[in-house]
Amino acid sequence: GAGVSQSPSNKVTEKGKDVELRCDPISGHTALYWYRQSLGQGLEFLIYFQGNSAPDKSGLPSDRFSAERTGGSVSTLTIQRTQQEDSAVYLCASSPRRRETEAFFGQGTRLTVV
Amino acid sequence: SQELEQSPQSLIVQEGKNLTINCTSSKTLYGLYWYKQKYGEGLIFLMMLQKGGEEKSHEKITAKLDEKKQQSSLHITASQPSHAGIYLCGADSNAGNMLTFGGGTRLMVKP
Repeated sequence: GAGVSQSPSNKVTEKGKDVELRCDPISGHTALYWYRQSLGQGLEFLIYFQGNSAPDKSGLPSDRFSAERTGGSVSTLTIQRTQQEDSAVYLCASSPRRRETEAFFGQGTRLTVV
Repeated sequence: SQELEQSPQSLIVQEGKNLTINCTSSKTLYGLYWYKQKYGEGLIFLMMLQKGGEEKSHEKITAKLDEKKQQSSLHITASQPSHAGIYLCGADSNAGNMLTFGGGTRLMVKP
């Protein structure tokens, strides 16, 4: 399809394990965002990529979280040594430009840390 | 940082009734986005407002950005069960790179 694609859709992992979440943005979109939605909480900004610029990592909750965007397209969010409080839906969004247009969201990855 | 407050947090209405959801910003809004999240699904873009006084409609949903560009309202006319879900407002911060979101309004429509 032509939308933002995230994988896996669901992930159950044991506490302490590392996980990788993948986001395929819409082709040609230069901006890519990662958000987290914990149970009963609003959307929490994690990280933002814009073209070849250095990413805005101001929303990452700890140094266990990191993200990469290879070739300005696919992005991977990595969580090391997962904790139970990391359980959430992780949403990726992309947009053609930083402003004046809406961001298109993926379906999200539901992460459960047991 | 910019903060968005949505009200009400939750709403239960009878099918056919009108309703309004508000989104208030602590700072001037440079772009205001309304999204709907169906239970268990992803976010669906509804509309974007940029200019003070701007009003947009999509089917039975109308959103407006006030003149001072610090508040937006989403109005649903003759609500249907299909309108049920979580409505989120998001703002484009002039200072930062990310969208800030409100806490969401959970809407239930009783048949």
